[in-house]
Amino acid sequence: EVQLLESGGGLVQPGGSLGLSCAASGFTFSSYAMTWVRQAPGKGLEWVSAISGGSDGIYYADSVKGRFTISRDNSKNTVYLHMNSLRVDDTAVYYCVKARAGDCSRSRCSIWFGPWGQGTLVTVSS
Amino acid sequence: DIVMTQSPDSLAVSLGERATINCKSSQSVFYNSNNKNNLAWYQQKPGQPPTLLIYWASTRESGVPDRFSGSGSGTDFTLTISSLQAEDVAVYYCQQYFSSPLTFGGGTKVEIK
Repeated sequence: EVQLLESGGGLVQPGGSLGLSCAASGFTFSSYAMTWVRQAPGKGLEWVSAISGGSDGIYYADSVKGRFTISRDNSKNTVYLHMNSLRVDDTAVYYCVKARAGDCSRSRCSIWFGPWGQGTLVTVSS
Repeated sequence: DIVMTQSPDSLAVSLGERATINCKSSQSVFYNSNNKNNLAWYQQKPGQPPTLLIYWASTRESGVPDRFSGSGSGTDFTLTISSLQAEDVAVYYCQQYFSSPLTFGGGTKVEIK
């Protein structure tokens, strides 16, 4: 059974930094792209970032480009999201999501999502 | 960026009746290389993360009841629940995976009338 366990959420001041981790199990981690999707309180879903299995394809939403960094350690079956210069509108539940299929190569990212972790809440507030 | 627009924002349907959700993309998500529409549907029940229902616009994910079906091509897509059950109360989202940034529709909330 696929399991995705996010950690690292919490309260941070605007302009601050925070790092999220997602420990994966139940599948061959290095064979799948991984992604982060967020959901602001009471709002819809917003894709944040994706990384290919070999880390050669990395993609970001415009809203986080230059501030967030996705990475992965296939030896630890873990994907990370490091967030800098956090803003109030970054407040959301951040979901770690396995690519159900597809890939994020250097030239194209085409993946759909599943399963999803339970999410970790990031609150940016003074 | 491909903008995904869902309609309606919400709908109330009687138990056993049909629910229809629409999703329109700002440009075609049909990928010529594999002749498939790069469109997925998700269900999010209250307090839970989303789950995948359908991909390639019409392929049901394993374990998804056959009352859920997807249709459409190019820019216009539909998710149909043929006979609404109480456990189908949820918000439904479409998502395009034709190109980055990967984008979702705004969601459609389905309730019982």
